[in-house]
Amino acid sequence: KNEVEQSPQNLTAQEGEFITINCSYSVGISALHWLQQHPGGGIVSLFMLSSGKKKHGRLIATINIQEKHSSLHITASHPRDSAVYICAVRSVDSNYQLIWGAGTKLIIKP
Amino acid sequence: NAGVMQNPRHLVRRRGQEARLRCSPMKGHSHVYWYRQLPEEGLKFMVYLQKENIIDESGMPKERFSAEFPKEGPSILRIQQVVRGDSAAYFCASSLPERAGYTFGSGTRLTVV
Repeated sequence: KNEVEQSPQNLTAQEGEFITINCSYSVGISALHWLQQHPGGGIVSLFMLSSGKKKHGRLIATINIQEKHSSLHITASHPRDSAVYICAVRSVDSNYQLIWGAGTKLIIKP
Repeated sequence: NAGVMQNPRHLVRRRGQEARLRCSPMKGHSHVYWYRQLPEEGLKFMVYLQKENIIDESGMPKERFSAEFPKEGPSILRIQQVVRGDSAAYFCASSLPERAGYTFGSGTRLTVV
């Protein structure tokens, strides 16, 4: 079993829908990252979380340390949100190495 | 304040040639990380460097790959005698202290023909 599991693996939705992507992990962590990668593009760091909730524009990220679970939400989704969303955690055993989820491929149809 | 700059964006090399990938970290960042993303796969850690020091190269292939981060200038990931299996996207990230957030570059897409 992977130490970081994301669900769903693929998600297709209509423009305007509320999107939720989930990330569960099995190790003790010091931080959790949500990143975005467009096809053929670079990687953009969206959030770094160690507790609670963060919001940036239409993106909201939450983390529950006790349940070892994080969610990324997109409100009023738009076709330009289509990308791969990756969850990565930094375990307490490492100051720097990230353990990566496999990513969630999101397609928003107009 | 430019982000992490990687160049070139795309690099084509013939088998047996050398590939040099450059990464200029964000201004003030002294920690650099290299990751490789093979087609249809997730990112894999390669190496972590601070200025003039390799801290962890446990993800680097034992042969043909090397990395440096000199006192002046960008970090360089060097692949000697490239083979088709080296074709991948190579991403660089930088940070302040180890527990700070990472900033990623746009990547270099290496194609070996």
